[in-house]
Amino acid sequence: SQTIHQWPATLVQPVGSPLSLECTVEGTSNPNLYWYRQAAGRGLQLLFYSVGIGQISSEVPQNLSASRPQDRQFILSSKKLLLSDSGFYLCAWSGDSGNTIYFGEGSWLTVV
Amino acid sequence: AQSVTQPDIHITVSEGASLELRCNYSYGATPYLFWYVQSPGQGLQLLLKYFSGDTLVQGIKGFEAEFKRSQSSFNLRKPSVHWSDAAEYFCAVGRMFSGGYNKLIFGAGTRLAVHP
Repeated sequence: SQTIHQWPATLVQPVGSPLSLECTVEGTSNPNLYWYRQAAGRGLQLLFYSVGIGQISSEVPQNLSASRPQDRQFILSSKKLLLSDSGFYLCAWSGDSGNTIYFGEGSWLTVV
Repeated sequence: AQSVTQPDIHITVSEGASLELRCNYSYGATPYLFWYVQSPGQGLQLLLKYFSGDTLVQGIKGFEAEFKRSQSSFNLRKPSVHWSDAAEYFCAVGRMFSGGYNKLIFGAGTRLAVHP
C-alpha cells in the first residue's frame, strides 16, 4: 500500500533563517505531489504541485519554493523565513487518475 | 470560480446522537467532492468521495454523504456519533486538469465536539 511521510513534524525557526521540509511517498510511482498550508483563520491553501521530476507549479506568490529531485520526493524550502510563514504544512499525493488526494501527517512551523 | 461553504463553524452533539454536517459548493461542471477529517495536530484523512453514480456514498468510520445536484450540496451524516469522532471536518471540491492533477478547494471546516 502507499504511504506518505513528511518531516520534521515540528519546527521552530527564527525570522530570516532557511527552511527545508521534506516529503516522500512510498508504494507508487510517478505520483502527483502537492504542498498545502493551513494557517490560522485562512483555511487550507494549495502552495505548489508537481506532475513529475523537476516540474513545479506555484499557486500563489510567496516566500517559499518547492523542488522535486526524485520521483517520490518533494521538498519545500525558503531562503529567509518570515513571521507570516508560520503554519501547518501538509504534503499530499495523488495517483495516475489524479482524482483522489491523500495527505501526510503535516509539519508544524513556527517562525519566531 | 469554484467555492465551498460549510455554514457551521462549530457543532456540538451528544454521544450516540445523529450528525449532519452541511456543505454547499459552487462549480460549473459535475464536481469531484470529498470529505476529510482532521484530528488535532494531525494530517487530513479521507472519509469519502463522490465522482459519479450513486448519489449516496459510504465512507470509513460509519460516515455517509449524499450528493444533491439541485441543491449543490454534499452533506455528511452519521447515525450515531462516538466520542472519537470529535475533530474538524473539511468538505472539498476537486477540479481535474489535463496532466492528471487535481486542485482541491476546501471549505473553512466544521469543528465537531462530542459530549459524553
